[in-house]
Amino acid sequence: EVQLVESGGGLVQPGRSLRLSCAASGFTFDDYAMHWVRQAPGKGLEWVSGISWSSYSIGYADSVKGRFTISRDNAKNSLYLQMNSLRAEDTALYYCAKGARGAAAGTDWFDPWGQGTLVTVSS
Amino acid sequence: QSVLTQPPSASGTPGQRVTISCSGSSSNIGSNTVNWYQQLPGTAPKLLIYSNNQRPSGVPDRFSGSKSGTSASLAISGLQSEDEADYYCAAWDDSLNVWVFGGGTKLTVL
Repeated sequence: EVQLVESGGGLVQPGRSLRLSCAASGFTFDDYAMHWVRQAPGKGLEWVSGISWSSYSIGYADSVKGRFTISRDNAKNSLYLQMNSLRAEDTALYYCAKGARGAAAGTDWFDPWGQGTLVTVSS
Repeated sequence: QSVLTQPPSASGTPGQRVTISCSGSSSNIGSNTVNWYQQLPGTAPKLLIYSNNQRPSGVPDRFSGSKSGTSASLAISGLQSEDEADYYCAAWDDSLNVWVFGGGTKLTVL
């Protein structure tokens, strides 16, 4: 069974940093692209970042470009999101999702999704 | 303001057929496939339809998707109370180089 388990969320002050992790199991991790998608309280879904199977292709939403860094460790079956210079508007539930292909763009879909880890940015 | 436009709400009675629209542009829906996600209350999103009209295993055939030009639709037939959820469309945008989602449609079963 494919499982994605996020961790690393919490309460952080504006301007500080946080690192999210996603532990994957039940599939050949280094065959697939991986993504982070977030959902602010009571709001819709927003794609944050995606990374191809070998990290050769990486993309970010404009709202986080230059502040967030996605990475993966295929040896550890893990996906990461380093979040710097956090803002109040980054407050959200952050989901890790598996892509259906190796590339992170184009014809792809997100399946499955983890349960999410909550990030709250507040002083 | 989402790049893909969905109605904020939809409703129907048990057994009815409802459709949810998703409108985009030539750079997203017009040139890429559309996926639909279902989010039941308090849970993570789940893939419902991929590549415009394909159902993952385990998704009932009451759910169907279609695409025409720069718009897509999700149809749910034989509506059931457990279908009450938020539904999101998504597609890759070739101009923005990002994945874009619709704002979501809250489906209420009356």
